[in-house]
Amino acid sequence: GQQVMQIPQYQHVQEGEDFTTYCNSSTTLSNIQWYKQRPGGHPVFLIQLVKSGEVKKQKRLTFQFGEAKKNSSLHITATQTTDVGTYFCAGPGSNFGNEKLTFGTGTRLTIIP
Amino acid sequence: GAVVSQHPSRVICKSGTSVKIECRSLDFQATTMFWYRQFPKQSLMLMATSNEGSKATYEQGVEKDKFLINHASLTLSTLTVTSAHPEDSSFYICSAQRTGSSADTQYFGPGTRLTVL
Repeated sequence: GQQVMQIPQYQHVQEGEDFTTYCNSSTTLSNIQWYKQRPGGHPVFLIQLVKSGEVKKQKRLTFQFGEAKKNSSLHITATQTTDVGTYFCAGPGSNFGNEKLTFGTGTRLTIIP
Repeated sequence: GAVVSQHPSRVICKSGTSVKIECRSLDFQATTMFWYRQFPKQSLMLMATSNEGSKATYEQGVEKDKFLINHASLTLSTLTVTSAHPEDSSFYICSAQRTGSSADTQYFGPGTRLTVL
């Protein structure tokens, strides 16, 4: 079945440093979605990328979708304590019309003040 | 818009009892809802797809007789954990797909934390 892996599993950074998480799917994706889950909270939708090679920015966050539509990355510039949480990528099934999302393994970000 | 609620947010129950969790789309209709389970420090795992007016589709390894799903209306899906055991303790999260929207757009509820003693 479809597998979505993320690296690293954990990342500890000093406040102000940059952070990147990488997402790799075993199958080509029609789109990739990113979610943030704060400790004790539920996943919150951040963004969706659809086009091959697409890059989107949200303030300090930069999202990229690979040319082959099998990988993606999330980069945070100058991290802040509010960035703490686990970041998940998620992709729909490889079959068209498959609504099911497969979530990546997640990257947990902790910030050292 | 696109708010999804879950009730209860937390539940503690004794082993052997059944627990019902509700998932509601508050300001939109949802033909399809999804139920996920998340164990501590792990990712979300899809349990089942709930379709209004028809039987739910369960993922491999999920017991349909233990996790009963009912999607009786376009705004409500329920998950009942029957004869709960401590290993069922987990964070259960639903998501709803807005009727008529892109197949990929899902809105997540706040989750229900189940603890079985």
